[in-house]
Amino acid sequence: NAGVTQTPKFQVLKTGQSMTLQCAQDMNHEYMSWYRQDPGMGLRLIHYSVGAGITDQGEVPNGYNVSRSTTEDFPLRLLSAAPSQTSVYFCASSRRGRSYNEQFFGPGTRLTVL
Amino acid sequence: TQLLEQSPQFLSIQEGENLTVYCNSSSVFSSLQWYRQEPGEGPVLLVTVVTGGEVKKLKRLTFQFGDARKDSSLHITAAQPGDTGLYLCAGNSGGSNYKLTFGKGTLLTVNP
Repeated sequence: NAGVTQTPKFQVLKTGQSMTLQCAQDMNHEYMSWYRQDPGMGLRLIHYSVGAGITDQGEVPNGYNVSRSTTEDFPLRLLSAAPSQTSVYFCASSRRGRSYNEQFFGPGTRLTVL
Repeated sequence: TQLLEQSPQFLSIQEGENLTVYCNSSSVFSSLQWYRQEPGEGPVLLVTVVTGGEVKKLKRLTFQFGDARKDSSLHITAAQPGDTGLYLCAGNSGGSNYKLTFGKGTLLTVNP
């Protein structure tokens, strides 16, 4: 099993550009999430999904869109990138039915917005 | 809003020393997880503690959940350079609440 995969590993954007961060998991997990990690701020939840066709906002959703058409994939879209979105982005998945919600993280995408 | 405070924020020690890091909250959690994150990688789950007062051991790492389920500690015995990393705690309030609350982490450096 590859676990949780993310592409690209690194990305540089100019202000106003759009892009999609890809995330896929092969563990048949129902739950998937996107976090951003900034120095001194810890991990903050952007959006999450509890199953195909179902998404909801996390702590910091502004400027980001998500969709979940399949169990495996959960892309994160930046519609108009801003320097404040410079961060490391992590996708995670977890199994439904476990109240602990233990997360399996991908390797991350390091995004710089100029 | 539930918050998890981790201390210390930074810790630099010599190989062979013992250390303890803390994760504290004013809120009760149904479970608490500890993750370790190495540079350039995603966090990896180390352990989940569920019962108040629970102690779990993972080789040289000992995890404890407070009796009131509001705090947790991680003790490392005879630290090694391979223990270097960012240690994150995350709490789950349980029930139908999917979201985890993460602390900001303790950055541990173990020098040879």
